[in-house]
Amino acid sequence: DGGITQSPKYLFRKEGQNVTLSCEQNLNHDAMYWYRQDPGQGLRLIYYSQIVNDFQKGDIAEGYSVSREKKESFPLTVTSAQKNPTAFYLCASSIFGQGNGYTFGSGTRLTVV
Amino acid sequence: AQSVTQLDSQVPVFEEAPVELRCNYSSSVSVYLFWYVQYPNQGLQLLLKYLSGSTLVKGINGFEAEFNKSQTSFHLRKPSVHISDTAEYFCAVSTNAGGTSYGKLTFGQGTILTVHP
Repeated sequence: DGGITQSPKYLFRKEGQNVTLSCEQNLNHDAMYWYRQDPGQGLRLIYYSQIVNDFQKGDIAEGYSVSREKKESFPLTVTSAQKNPTAFYLCASSIFGQGNGYTFGSGTRLTVV
Repeated sequence: AQSVTQLDSQVPVFEEAPVELRCNYSSSVSVYLFWYVQYPNQGLQLLLKYLSGSTLVKGINGFEAEFNKSQTSFHLRKPSVHISDTAEYFCAVSTNAGGTSYGKLTFGQGTILTVHP
């Protein structure tokens, strides 16, 4: 079955370390998105990519980086510059140029200690 | 640019009672509208969507929503809720006006529905 896989489900890191969250999709979707979710703050867009080798900053891109070398993959790196990285991170994908909404992964909960 | 306002951050309700989760949107162009559900520590799952046609949209798990263009609303309803409906619900809007933002979703802040026995 097609879908989006985020790994790992839970991730623990020490403060000051960079960490990369994986997002892979086999839906043949063009666009991919990363969101951060904190209690009471809804979904905040970090980065998105509408095509391979291109991506744009979202509303809270500072302290994060992404790459889009393959259509299927959109990894997110949380750098040591991100002041408050502990959160639930969601990856999503969609067919660019259609109004069918997004398909979401199951999320990665990152805890930085 | 479009925006979405979910009017209630939390909605408590007893089992088997009806529920309405309210969503208003703002956009200068035609829109597509969506409701998603999120169970704890999981991703978002599409409940229903309005793209065009009938303004009453039926979704999964017995939910339905009505698009009201004059009131710019897309409220979610269920006539009788179950304990298992306890979750967070997100309303979202996208523009269908073309351009690089075509299909890009803007989400509301979410409404936590808690169903009590």
